[in-house]
Amino acid sequence: DTEVTQTPKHLVMGMTNKKSLKCEQHMGHRAMYWYKQKAKKPPELMFVYSYEKLSINESVPSRFSPECPNSSLLNLHLHALQPEDSALYLCASSQVPAGNTQYFGPGTRLTVL
Amino acid sequence: LAKTTQPISMDSYEGQEVNITCSHNNIATNDYITWYQQFPSQGPRFIIQGYKTKVTNEVASLFIPADRKSSTLSLPRVSLSDTAVYYCLVGDFYSSASKIIFGSGTRLSIRP
Repeated sequence: DTEVTQTPKHLVMGMTNKKSLKCEQHMGHRAMYWYKQKAKKPPELMFVYSYEKLSINESVPSRFSPECPNSSLLNLHLHALQPEDSALYLCASSQVPAGNTQYFGPGTRLTVL
Repeated sequence: LAKTTQPISMDSYEGQEVNITCSHNNIATNDYITWYQQFPSQGPRFIIQGYKTKVTNEVASLFIPADRKSSTLSLPRVSLSDTAVYYCLVGDFYSSASKIIFGSGTRLSIRP
């Protein structure tokens, strides 16, 4: 199984809502990542978890709150987002050390109204 | 992390060989070169990685000259389904849970 799954596929939320994005992998990878991708732009790294501990936070606003409850799951909790946060949110996983491959999920298309 | 420079876009035709070159002048000794492919509204997909000389897999070849300041991704006999964005990344991917910084990528369009 070389698949990273993400739910939901699409999410529309208001600026006062609280929602969560979920990511799951069963490849035994111990590093998991969140990226944000705007249209026609490259993915931008947001967070890295290594062995379920946050190892990299790329100065992401606190309205994005990551959580890694176990080695297979990664969540991204969203609260009080802005319309400019609308984007494709990608989850990825890899072995640790990162090695040669990050496996990406299909992403969640988020729209903030 | 080494900065990479790629052409913004390229066009080609079905059945042709496509070569996409990436410049990475400040590549470090421990850095590897990795290429990802991304289709619209999908996550990037690993294509190939190399350190020096030539690497080939079932999808592509990667050519890296001796000075390692550039690399070329070669896609043999492209088809319409190869239309995608191709990202060249350079970094020490064997350090612990390393960052991956995507450059601007090359938007490849294949025509019939």
